[in-house]
Amino acid sequence: TQLLEQSPQFLSIQEGENLTVYCNSSSVFSSLQWYRQEPGEGPVLLVTVVTGGEVKKLKRLTFQFGDARKDSSLHITAAQTGDTGLYLCAGSRNNNDMRFGAGTRLTVKP
Amino acid sequence: DAGVTQSPTHLIKTRGQHVTLRCSPISGHKSVSWYQQVLGQGPQFIFQYYEKEERGRGNFPDRFSARQFPNYSSELNVNALLLGDSALYLCASSLLGHPNTEAFFGQGTRLTVV
Repeated sequence: TQLLEQSPQFLSIQEGENLTVYCNSSSVFSSLQWYRQEPGEGPVLLVTVVTGGEVKKLKRLTFQFGDARKDSSLHITAAQTGDTGLYLCAGSRNNNDMRFGAGTRLTVKP
Repeated sequence: DAGVTQSPTHLIKTRGQHVTLRCSPISGHKSVSWYQQVLGQGPQFIFQYYEKEERGRGNFPDRFSARQFPNYSSELNVNALLLGDSALYLCASSLLGHPNTEAFFGQGTRLTVV
């Protein structure tokens, strides 16, 4: 059982559409990070959220951390083909390891 | 500035052999973590080292070991390789060893065990 459950597992949309992906857990995290990973490469950090209820915007990407710090969402507005990739959430608790979800594989078609 | 560098980028080994993977963190970063990513899954935590000491260990057998050197670079060793050890091995570096520090990943080492 994954500590962090991501949904949906796969998502295929047309360019210009909006989408939201989710990261859920029964555990409380001191921080949560979102990464995007391209095939054959390491994950690239997009954002870190720390405070419950926090909302961060990165151009067309909006990240939200749940009030109870157990869940998070990533919303992309007007998706572009360059947004295609594997989106991973990772949470840290009071110990030092960071645990990842299985990821959402996003495909944006032209 | 150089990012996290890992070597080699690709490796093919035979069952039963051992392998050593290497990681150089971002300059100034003192913490290194290792992850295993099997195709289609998210990275699974193996080890974290901070200031040359092991700070965390994931659910991996004793065949997996690691160490961190005085210059903060790190090695991951895997003995008695199994077919199931085939994966992308990722190294992440962070400035400090506590949970809210952002982690930056290398491009990984693709290990294939045949």
